[in-house]
Amino acid sequence: DGGITQSPKYLFRKEGQNVTLSCEQNLNHDAMYWYRQDPGQGLRLIYYSQIVNDFQKGDIAEGYSVSREKKESFPLTVTSAQKNPTAFYLCASSKQGNTEAFFGQGTRLTVV
Amino acid sequence: AQSVTQLGSHVSVSEGALVLLRCNYSSSVPPYLFWYVQYPNQGLQLLLKYTTGATLVKGINGFEAEFKKSETSFHLTKPSAHMSDAAEYFCAVRSLSGQNFVFGPGTRLSVLP
Repeated sequence: DGGITQSPKYLFRKEGQNVTLSCEQNLNHDAMYWYRQDPGQGLRLIYYSQIVNDFQKGDIAEGYSVSREKKESFPLTVTSAQKNPTAFYLCASSKQGNTEAFFGQGTRLTVV
Repeated sequence: AQSVTQLGSHVSVSEGALVLLRCNYSSSVPPYLFWYVQYPNQGLQLLLKYTTGATLVKGINGFEAEFKKSETSFHLTKPSAHMSDAAEYFCAVRSLSGQNFVFGPGTRLSVLP
């Protein structure tokens, strides 16, 4: 079945460590997105990519980095520069044009 | 910049009662609008979308929404709430550039027995 797979579902990180969240899609979508979700704040855009080897910063990119080396993969690295990384992270993808976004099941990151 | 507002961070209804979740957007051009539902610790699932054509849009699980350009609104309704409808609901608009999505803050729906 086609879809978006995020892994792991739960992730624990010590302060000062970098951690990478995986996002893979087999929908043949060109665009991919990373959102951060905090209670009561909805979804905030971290990074997005419209095409392989190209990506743009969203509203809260500081402390995060991404790569888009393959169409189906868009990993997110949470660096030690991110001051408050504990959150629920959602990856999404969409076709070009005015279609909807499809979401993965999310990764809950906790800094311990 | 585009924005989406959802009136009421938490809405409670009785089982069998009408569900009305409000969404207003800011856009100077015809928008593309979406409603998503999220269950705890899960991703977002599309309920329905408006792109062009009929302004009353029907979605899954008995939900529907009406696009009203004059009111810049896209409210979500369901005639009769079910316990399984308890979840968080997000309204979203495709950005003016078409390159990403702008989400509202969400409304948590509780359904009382």
